[in-house]
Amino acid sequence: AQSVAQPEDQVKVAEGNPLTVKCTYSVSGNPYLFWYVQYPNRGLQFLLKYITGDNLVKGSYGFEAEFNKSQTSFHLKKPSALVSDSALYFCAVRDYRNTPLVFGKGTRLSVIA
Amino acid sequence: NAGVTQTPKFQVLKTGQSMTLQCAQDMNHNSMYWYRQDPGMGLRLIYYSASEGTTDKGEVPNGYNVSRLNKREFSLRLESAAPSQTSVYFCASSEEQGRSYGYTFGSGTRLTVV
Repeated sequence: AQSVAQPEDQVKVAEGNPLTVKCTYSVSGNPYLFWYVQYPNRGLQFLLKYITGDNLVKGSYGFEAEFNKSQTSFHLKKPSALVSDSALYFCAVRDYRNTPLVFGKGTRLSVIA
Repeated sequence: NAGVTQTPKFQVLKTGQSMTLQCAQDMNHNSMYWYRQDPGMGLRLIYYSASEGTTDKGEVPNGYNVSRLNKREFSLRLESAAPSQTSVYFCASSEEQGRSYGYTFGSGTRLTVV
């Protein structure tokens, strides 16, 4: 069965600094990987996905993610953090069998001015 | 605006009461899902419907039932609410139960069982 780990419950960065939110996964076969963001009292919003192709995926709001097959990781990155990026971030994965997405526990990002 | 609509947004129930959470999408999506979100637990799948007329259990189905009323609507029913069902419930939809498709989420229902 597929699974996702987000090893950090919380990440704090200063505004203007680069940010990384970590995600590792376990699936059978090739993974299909997603990042979602949740702002307070809102539903989840899609940020980006990796299906195949380039290991560096670009998404919404200046975010990007790097797929690393050997390390089974899909870390979310942004070169320069904004205070408005403060939110809860979820990594999700599904495998080749078209099963529903499995989500990680989430990482709360706090960007400090 | 196109999207996924959940009702109600907030609800307080007494232990043993029943209720139905409603979800409707207007994007002509085939697949619909119910997740619950609890602190430190992330999102856990309750039930899903890959297409109209089909439903399947997810990770945490006990205490819940679902109905895929038509292509647009997917409801979640709590027959006898328990405090352990206090949570935020999210409905989501996707074009296909397919590998490359992400989900569109509703804004959630915050349920408290006392």
